[in-house]
Amino acid sequence: SFQLTQPPSLSVSPGQTANITCSGDKLGNKYTAWYQQKSGQPPVLVIYLDAKRPSGIPERFSGSNSGNTATLTISGTQAMDEADYYCETWDSITVVFGGGTKLTVL
Amino acid sequence: QVQLQESGPGLVKSSGTVSLTCAVSGGSISTRNWWSWVRQPPGKGLEWIGEIYHGGSTNYNPSLKSRVTISVDKSKNQFSLNLRSVTAADTAVYYCARGDDSRQIGGAAFDIWGQGALVTVSS
Repeated sequence: SFQLTQPPSLSVSPGQTANITCSGDKLGNKYTAWYQQKSGQPPVLVIYLDAKRPSGIPERFSGSNSGNTATLTISGTQAMDEADYYCETWDSITVVFGGGTKLTVL
Repeated sequence: QVQLQESGPGLVKSSGTVSLTCAVSGGSISTRNWWSWVRQPPGKGLEWIGEIYHGGSTNYNPSLKSRVTISVDKSKNQFSLNLRSVTAADTAVYYCARGDDSRQIGGAAFDIWGQGALVTVSS
């Protein structure tokens, strides 16, 4: 079965750029979405179709996808961006989530 | 503004069935969207369970397929999840979610989520 691999954790300082990666076999041939989940809340879609931002998502969130890796980039990271981030894709007839990355802003 | 709300028992006995309903408000379930169930065990990541289209077509996670049924009731504008033969490993927050229009071109993103329902499986 198709698998997506994310680093379990990432730490950045406020104002720096956070790059969260998601790896999978030929992932660049599929579309990827990204979700932000804060403690006790449902996930929120922040990127879809690799690089599109839903209405209301700040411009500091961007995405890319090529080769075997999709990347969520948060430019000028803020304390409010501290959360778990999940990548997700569609493989054949199933949805697959990555294991999640805990982003710490300190 | 479409909203989703899960409902159902919060406690299920081992070997029993998790039965949840997702009520869709602010819009019709009979759109081009697929409607999914996603779960999250305490302290763990997200797991897709399966999805349904308003016409009744379904897709399931292969790892759960033998135990899962998702159904739709267009008259009530809701869809439901039945997960049979549950164990403690099925204890999780269960979310319903709407698949966005990107499915039309091969994408699969969930743009609207319910608040989630915690289901605990007890022995």
